Amino acid sequence: DGGITQSPKYLFRKEGQNVTLSCEQNLNHDAMYWYRQDPGQGLRLIYYSQIVNDFQKGDIAEGYSVSREKKESFPLTVTSAQKNPTAFYLCASSAEGAGRQPQHFGDGTRLSIL
Amino acid sequence: EDKVVQSPLSLVVHEGDTVTLNCSYEVTNFRSLLWYKQEKKAPTFLFMLTSSGIEKKSGRLSSILDKKELFSILNITATQTGDSAVYLCAVGQYYGGSQGNLIFGKGTKLSVKP
Repeated sequence: DGGITQSPKYLFRKEGQNVTLSCEQNLNHDAMYWYRQDPGQGLRLIYYSQIVNDFQKGDIAEGYSVSREKKESFPLTVTSAQKNPTAFYLCASSAEGAGRQPQHFGDGTRLSIL
Repeated sequence: EDKVVQSPLSLVVHEGDTVTLNCSYEVTNFRSLLWYKQEKKAPTFLFMLTSSGIEKKSGRLSSILDKKELFSILNITATQTGDSAVYLCAVGQYYGGSQGNLIFGKGTKLSVKP
């Protein structure tokens, strides 16, 4: 089955620690995205990538980093510089840039601070 | 500043009721408007609208876009408890600050009571 797989489902971060959230898709989509969702809030864009080896900052990129070495993979690192990392993180992909084709989402990773 | 506003933020109805969810937007370089349903985890795609006045339907759900008045509605008829979810509205741009990515509203939380 084609889809987007995010792992882990739950993640705990200690003070000063970097953690990496995995996102893999087998939909052969060019574009991939990372969003953060806080309670009662909509989705806010962290980073996006339209093609391999290229990515752009979204609205709230500070304290996060990404890489796009393979078409199917777009991992997100939450660094120690992100002071309020507790949130629900969603990865998405689309065949073309958002707005032309719908984005499809993974099941998310819930990150908490220990 | 580009923005997408959904109303109401929450809604409680009884099974069998018909509901209308609203989404208004002020977005430069509008390309499309999308509706998603989010239960516990991944938002699932419902509709993508690009043209005014053309209703899209899927079972008991339907949606329409008014590009002159800058809003869309999502209708759900004969609601069921399985319709309980957060409904997200998002707008895609041709280009702009987010380079053609989606701008999300905060969502409408719908609760359907038996």
